[in-house]
Amino acid sequence: GAVVSQHPSRVICKSGTSVKIECRSLDFQATTMFWYRQFPKQSLMLMATSNEGSKATYEQGVEKDKFLINHASLTLSTLTVTSAHPEDSSFYICSASRTDNEQFFGPGTRLTVL
Amino acid sequence: GQQVMQIPQYQHVQEGEDFTTYCNSSTTLSNIQWYKQRPGGHPVFLIQLVKSGEVKKQKRLTFQFGEAKKNSSLHITATQTTDVGTYFCAGPGAGGTSYGKLTFGQGTILTVHP
Repeated sequence: GAVVSQHPSRVICKSGTSVKIECRSLDFQATTMFWYRQFPKQSLMLMATSNEGSKATYEQGVEKDKFLINHASLTLSTLTVTSAHPEDSSFYICSASRTDNEQFFGPGTRLTVL
Repeated sequence: GQQVMQIPQYQHVQEGEDFTTYCNSSTTLSNIQWYKQRPGGHPVFLIQLVKSGEVKKQKRLTFQFGEAKKNSSLHITATQTTDVGTYFCAGPGAGGTSYGKLTFGQGTILTVHP
């Protein structure tokens, strides 16, 4: 199966700082990647769809100025949490799909904002 | 917007007992996917169902798609401790034309007692 990596796997930062999370498709090209947020024992909530070479599409209620997404190449999408606050602490997961059959998820990034 | 409801939220079983989780949508789904997320891990694709009334099996797992394509179920026969995790159903995301966009159910957290 396809492999999607995410970096870092875990990050702890101070309130007010910005954190960048990388999502890479290692063995296939992904024109579309997705960013999810997951709170403990809850479902995955789609935050935005990242499109290579164009602006990301954000879901309702997600602040685009706070969660900056860049999809600069067919294998890399980045999510930057700007001016992070404790309520932004969560598990962030990216995924990519080659076809409409299945999505391949990255291992996730656990963000803790102090 | 489109919602995919999943029940139960939690299920505790003794090893060897069967387990079923159910998914319901208010709208007809073109397809439904199932994912498993182990504790601390990321979602892993299990299967996709496309046809009305479709039934697919993977060893002890049986997946069904309703005739009206509005509901689905995952049944595990004779659970094992390795079945522990959260099982999510996911339908095509509402709105837009994003390739592979998904809407996840709330998930069922399965605990298997040895």
